[in-house]
Order: sequence, then C-alpha cells, then structure tokens
Amino acid sequence: DVKVTQSSRYLVKRTGEKVFLECVQDMDHENMFWYRQDPGLGLRLIYFSYDVKMKEKGDIPEGYSVSREKKERFSLILESASTNQTSMYLCASSLISPGHLTNTGELFFGEGSRLTVL
Amino acid sequence: AQSVTQLGSHVSVSEGALVLLRCNYSSSVPPYLFWYVQYPNQGLQLLLKYTSAATLVKGINGFEAEFKKSETSFHLTKPSAHMSDAAEYFCAVTKMGFQKLVFGTGTRLLVSP
Repeated sequence: DVKVTQSSRYLVKRTGEKVFLECVQDMDHENMFWYRQDPGLGLRLIYFSYDVKMKEKGDIPEGYSVSREKKERFSLILESASTNQTSMYLCASSLISPGHLTNTGELFFGEGSRLTVL
Repeated sequence: AQSVTQLGSHVSVSEGALVLLRCNYSSSVPPYLFWYVQYPNQGLQLLLKYTSAATLVKGINGFEAEFKKSETSFHLTKPSAHMSDAAEYFCAVTKMGFQKLVFGTGTRLLVSP
C-alpha cells in the first residue's frame, strides 16, 4: 500500500513563527501536492511538485513556500505564521499527473496536519 | 478554468435509504472526474473516477456515478446507505494532460439508524 506520512498531526504555533510541515511518500511517486482544507471551502491547492527541485504555485500560494530536495519528501513552509493560516493541511502524492491519459491520476493522501496559529 | 459545484453541504439519510450526492462540473474540454471520500480524522481516498470510457462508473463500497454531458453532472449514488458511509465526500475535476486536480467544497453525509 502507498503510504503518505505527515510528520505532525497537530501543531500549535504563535503568530510570526516559522513553521515546517513535512510529508514523506514511500512509493516513488513523481508528483506531490500540498492542499489546505477549510470548512465550506473544500480543498485548495497551495503548491505542487512534479519532480525533485521543481515546484509550481497552486491557487493559494501566498504566505507559503515549499521544498523538494528528495523525491520522497515535500515540505511546506510558513515563513511567518499568521492566524488566518490556521487550517488542516493535507499532503498528497501521485504516480503520474491526475490528467494523464493512461493513468488514474489517483492522489494518495496523508492523514493531515491540523495547524493552529495563536 | 475548470470547477465543480457540490449542491448541499450536508445530506442526511436513513440507513438503507438511497444516497444521492450531487456534483456539477464546468469545463471547456472533456473532463476527468473523481469522487473522493474522507472518513473522520483521515485523509482522502479515491472512490471512483471517470476518464472518458464508460459513462457509468462503479467504485468501491457499492458507490457508482454517472457522467452526463448534457447536464454537466457526475452525481454519486448508492442504493442502500450503511452507517459506515458517514463521511465527507468530495467531487474533483481535471483534464487530460493536466497536473492539477480541482476539488469541490464537499458534502457531509450523515446516516441515521
């Protein structure tokens, strides 16, 4: 089974702190994604990466950065946390992009990291 | 731009009743459509997908969805609800060759005994 592991299930940080959310996948997937989940808003894509050291902005990248130094690891960084970044953060990976003709493009998700910024 | 709209943030059914969760999509090109489920305190997992083959798609746990181009819909159904179906369901859309998956706002399914 594919396993996507997020390092912290629950974090509490203070405004202005630098926050690292770590995600590791064990299936040699090319693509990795960071989503933010908020009630009534669904999942919104923050950043994604389709290769090591490659990254692309999603729909809400402001206030976030990412790092992918190794294929299995994709980190989300909040340089200076703010209260409006209190949310559930979900990491996902896929073997090939969701729109690939011959692949399901299935995303495998971690269990999420619930971040509270005070 | 592609998008999906899920009608109803909450749907309540009795155990044994029909489950119908609605999803309408917007796409200028043939879409790929997905349903994901999220059980409490877990990440999302794939229920089923449509990628331009059969319009009636069967998924796990007895769920199925029908792609209707004329109605731009991809509603999720299950003939008989079970207590274990209580979860949040997300519809999602992408297109061929595209890397991003766009999710709807989700529908929470409540199942009562």
